[in-house]
Amino acid sequence: KAGVTQTPRYLIKTRGQQVTLSCSPISGHRSVSWYQQTPGQGLQFLFEYFSETQRNKGNFPGRFSGRQFSNSRSEMNVSTLELGDSALYLCASSLEGGTSYGYTFGSGTRLTVV
Amino acid sequence: QKEVEQNSGPLSVPEGAIASLNCTYSDRVSQSFFWYRQYSGKSPELIMSIYSNGDKEDGRFTAQLNKASQYVSLLIRDSQPSDSATYLCAVNFGGSYIPTFGRGTSLIVHP
Repeated sequence: KAGVTQTPRYLIKTRGQQVTLSCSPISGHRSVSWYQQTPGQGLQFLFEYFSETQRNKGNFPGRFSGRQFSNSRSEMNVSTLELGDSALYLCASSLEGGTSYGYTFGSGTRLTVV
Repeated sequence: QKEVEQNSGPLSVPEGAIASLNCTYSDRVSQSFFWYRQYSGKSPELIMSIYSNGDKEDGRFTAQLNKASQYVSLLIRDSQPSDSATYLCAVNFGGSYIPTFGRGTSLIVHP
């Protein structure tokens, strides 16, 4: 079966711009979680969407937002980009959330803010 | 504060040896434990999950869980250079759908 698809793979943006990242989970998976990964902080949880509802949220500023569509595809948006937003953004797909079966991660979007 | 601690390494082992990776966590009320492998420049990949005390074996990998001591470990037998990667420990603390990840241990298997 198809894996988790994230687009785009790479992005270069200028400080102050906004960006939208996309994630298509594995077919049948209703939970999509987003993580930010940086060398200094490791994997940091952004938010989780389940059946089009944000079910959990991490400790990130309101510039980071997301949504999930009826087909479970999810988008993540970052507004007013800062240099510190440069990171690998990972989407994680799971049946019910990361509790019982673990995650399948997408390939990630490498965001560079200049 | 729920925390998952791992030694960042690198842990260097010779080919054919047993690599032992350790992870401690802060809350006894934890239910699900996972190990992920992440190659440089790639995304994490789930390799093991464990839910009850004791050992769980899958091929060359063995996960060990001790809830009383609040640690989980991953043993890799007959280590190969292709096992060189960062290994991430993840713990679902009680009642949470969202796992907390450790920062990972870098493993280097040298020929």
